[in-house]
Amino acid sequence: ILNVEQSPQSLHVQEGDSTNFTCSFPSSNFYALHWYRWETAKSPEALFVMTLNGDEKKKGRISATLNTKEGYSYLYIKGSQPEDSATYLCALHNAGNNRKLIWGLGTSLAVNP
Amino acid sequence: DAGVIQSPRHEVTEMGQEVTLRCKPISGHDYLFWYRQTMMRGLELLIYFNNNVPIDDSGMPEDRFSAKMPNASFSTLKIQPSEPRDSAVYFCASRQGSSYNSPLHFGNGTRLTVT
Repeated sequence: ILNVEQSPQSLHVQEGDSTNFTCSFPSSNFYALHWYRWETAKSPEALFVMTLNGDEKKKGRISATLNTKEGYSYLYIKGSQPEDSATYLCALHNAGNNRKLIWGLGTSLAVNP
Repeated sequence: DAGVIQSPRHEVTEMGQEVTLRCKPISGHDYLFWYRQTMMRGLELLIYFNNNVPIDDSGMPEDRFSAKMPNASFSTLKIQPSEPRDSAVYFCASRQGSSYNSPLHFGNGTRLTVT
């Protein structure tokens, strides 16, 4: 059974703080890693899809890196704002598994004003 | 595009009743996924379709659950009879193409409460 692990489970930061969290996954047969942002009472929205070792992607104050050899991805938020409060999910595509994404349980971020 | 549309947003029903959840994927998307979200297990894939054909239903909990996709613009997830342990948020998502680069587009979900 493949596991995608996210840490920490939850995080509280002050407005203006920069923060990061981790997604760990089995490194074998890697195809792609997805990051999604999920605000309360809304639907998950895609942030990044990363496929290559060493990939770095950025959207505004949010960026992500990928290490497929060691099986982890970091998500960074620079200068957190209250509107960044959400659950951040990562999901793994790998060979086999009938094209299904394997989801982590998410990191819940709360940014205090 | 209006995005993935799910209905109803909320459903409260009594144990034993039939529940039908509906989903309209984004036009042109050829993959449709039904997920269930619970606190304990996160997002669980129930079933997915490609070009209206069910590809993998191994996540469907038991025979009480069934899903159909009669055409490219509509899918249903039915629970009959419903039980309290089915209470969860059910999401529908669609995707264009089979590329691993393609992200999922989620609907707003249906919050189901079975009393």
